[in-house]
Amino acid sequence: GAGVSQSPSNKVTEKGKDVELRCDPISGHTALYWYRQSLGQGLEFLIYFQGNSAPDKSGLPSDRFSAERTGGSVSTLTIQRTQQEDSAVYLCASSLAALKGDTQYFGPGTRLTVL
Amino acid sequence: AQSVAQPEDQVNVAEGNPLTVKCTYSVSGNPYLFWYVQYPNRGLQFLLKYITGDNLVKGSYGFEAEFNKSQTSFHLKKPSALVSDSALYFCAVRDGGYQKVTFGTGTKLQVIP
Repeated sequence: GAGVSQSPSNKVTEKGKDVELRCDPISGHTALYWYRQSLGQGLEFLIYFQGNSAPDKSGLPSDRFSAERTGGSVSTLTIQRTQQEDSAVYLCASSLAALKGDTQYFGPGTRLTVL
Repeated sequence: AQSVAQPEDQVNVAEGNPLTVKCTYSVSGNPYLFWYVQYPNRGLQFLLKYITGDNLVKGSYGFEAEFNKSQTSFHLKKPSALVSDSALYFCAVRDGGYQKVTFGTGTKLQVIP
């Protein structure tokens, strides 16, 4: 079946512009995660959705970052007034739930470059 | 709180030799442990996980990992390395009571022909 998909695959924007990154999780997966991976770095947790529960936003680095998940499926990560330090690969993952041994399945990522 | 450490930024191994990529963890409850691999310009791919039971877990592409509770380790191993195994490897942990997964900083594996 289809895996996690993300769009666009690459995004180049100018400093100060807003960007939207999209994630389509695997059908039936109730948990969805966003991570940021800067060049040569590990994964930085950003936000997590589980079903209809309030999202865990504890990893969002500033109030310029926000995310929503409509209908328990597709998620959009929005970065307002982008800065050069926002340049990174943004990865989305989904899992059946967010319990114990549930495996996260990752999308290919969106590479964001802020000029 | 939960944390995971990958003490080696890079591991070099000759093709055909056994490889080990190290991972240690810290949790307050029961750990659920994962290994992922990332090839260049790709997302992370799941390799294997430990939930409970047998301490030796077998996964994709001939990889295996050994859960050691006393040493709080979950090292990734393969008996005979291939050049195509060259990639970035991430260890991850979820504490049984948590919903988030914490990832290590990654270890770059270089298999030399």
